[in-house]
Amino acid sequence: LAKTTQPISMDSYEGQEVNITCSHNNIATNDYITWYQQFPSQGPRFIIQGYKTKVTNEVASLFIPADRKSSTLSLPRVSLSDTAVYYCLVVYSGNTGKLIFGQGTTLQVKP
Amino acid sequence: GAGVSQTPSNKVTEKGKYVELRCDPISGHTALYWYRQSLGQGPEFLIYFQGTGAADDSGLPNDRFFAVRPEGSVSTLKIQRTERGDSAVYLCASSLGSYNEQFFGPGTRLTVL
Repeated sequence: LAKTTQPISMDSYEGQEVNITCSHNNIATNDYITWYQQFPSQGPRFIIQGYKTKVTNEVASLFIPADRKSSTLSLPRVSLSDTAVYYCLVVYSGNTGKLIFGQGTTLQVKP
Repeated sequence: GAGVSQTPSNKVTEKGKYVELRCDPISGHTALYWYRQSLGQGPEFLIYFQGTGAADDSGLPNDRFFAVRPEGSVSTLKIQRTERGDSAVYLCASSLGSYNEQFFGPGTRLTVL
C-alpha cells in the first residue's frame, strides 16, 4: 500500500536552514515528488518538484537519494513567515496514478 | 492572471441534503483535481480530470460523490445525501499537464449539521 510519511512537527529559529524529510517506500521509477506549503485557511502552494538527485529553485532545494525511498526539502535561512505546514506529495503510478499527500509537517519558526 | 476560484467559500447544510461545489480552474489548464482536507490532515485525493473525462476517480469514497467537467474547464463536485462525516474543506486544483505543478483554490468549507 502506497504511503507518504513525514514528521508531524519541527521547530527552528530565524536564519537557520531547515530540512524536512518525507518517506515514500513504494515509489516507482517514473513517480515525481512535489512539496507544497500551506498557510491557515488557504490552499497549498507549490514549492518544488523533483525526480532524482537534486533540484534547486529560488526558495528551496530538494534532495532525492539514489534509491528514491525518501526525499528532503531544504529551506535555507528561514524567516518567521515560513511558519506553515509543509506537505510532500507523490504521484504513485500503476493502474491509476494516485496522488498521496503526507500528513504534513508543521514548521514553527521562532525569533 | 486569475487563479483557481471555488464557490461557495462556505456551505452549511443539513444531513441528507444535496450539495454542489464549483471550481473554476486557471484558463488553459487541462488537468483538474479535487481533494478533501479534514482538520490537521493532508489533502485526500478524490478525483482527477484530464480535459472533460475523469482520468482517475479512485479517491471518491462512495457513490454519493460525483464530479463533472462537461466542457473541460469548470468542474462541479456533487454530494448526495450528505452525512456529518462529509464535513471538511474541499480543495480544487488545476495544472497545465498531468501531475505538473498544481495551483490550488482557497477551498470550500462544507459543514453538515
